[in-house]
Amino acid sequence: AQKVTQAQTEISVVEKEDVTLDCVYETRDTTYYLFWYKQPPSGELVFLIRRNSFDEQNEISGRYSWNFQKSTSSFNFTITASQVVDSAVYFCALSTGPYNNNDMRFGAGTRLTVKP
Amino acid sequence: GAVVSQHPSWVICKSGTSVKIECRSLDFQATTMFWYRQFPKQSLMLMATSNEGSKATYEQGVEKDKFLINHASLTLSTLTVTSAHPEDSSFYICSATDPTGKPQHFGDGTRLSIL
Repeated sequence: AQKVTQAQTEISVVEKEDVTLDCVYETRDTTYYLFWYKQPPSGELVFLIRRNSFDEQNEISGRYSWNFQKSTSSFNFTITASQVVDSAVYFCALSTGPYNNNDMRFGAGTRLTVKP
Repeated sequence: GAVVSQHPSWVICKSGTSVKIECRSLDFQATTMFWYRQFPKQSLMLMATSNEGSKATYEQGVEKDKFLINHASLTLSTLTVTSAHPEDSSFYICSATDPTGKPQHFGDGTRLSIL
């Protein structure tokens, strides 16, 4: 069975602080994909990153970085120098199958509030 | 630009009404589409998986006679909430994929409010 755990329900930081959102996953599949999505108040899901299970390289994209560690089944997301516009709910998700065409299992989400 | 279009984005209707939500893939053939539901301040939960030309597969606890899914073409899947009641009020999101391995693309969601 697939499961994604985001233990942090809500996080509040002050602008310019760094913040890390945790994600721990469970799966018996050897081929899987991990995702992070941002959901602003308007509701749409904004795709941030997809990482497959064979690529453990960390990734940086501007102020965003991701740390994938298979040994601990974690895929954490860090926002550096947070901004008010980063305020949103962030979901970590897991999808299995060789072609990423299986359904996604989402974590409960972490609501990030960045205060000015 | 959006590759999956979901319509309508917002629906308010009376209890007992049936509501149809459309999910279209705009620039690829969506062999598989997924329908998710998100209650306020909760996560997205998969309702059903639909493959083009086949009957949808529903998750446990989702009433297939209440949530009718049709995936008759490679670019369109519809979700019809039949005889909707206030407890069906939720945010419904579809996603679409194909066998080539591209990331699943999500629609912008439909906010359904039943009075």
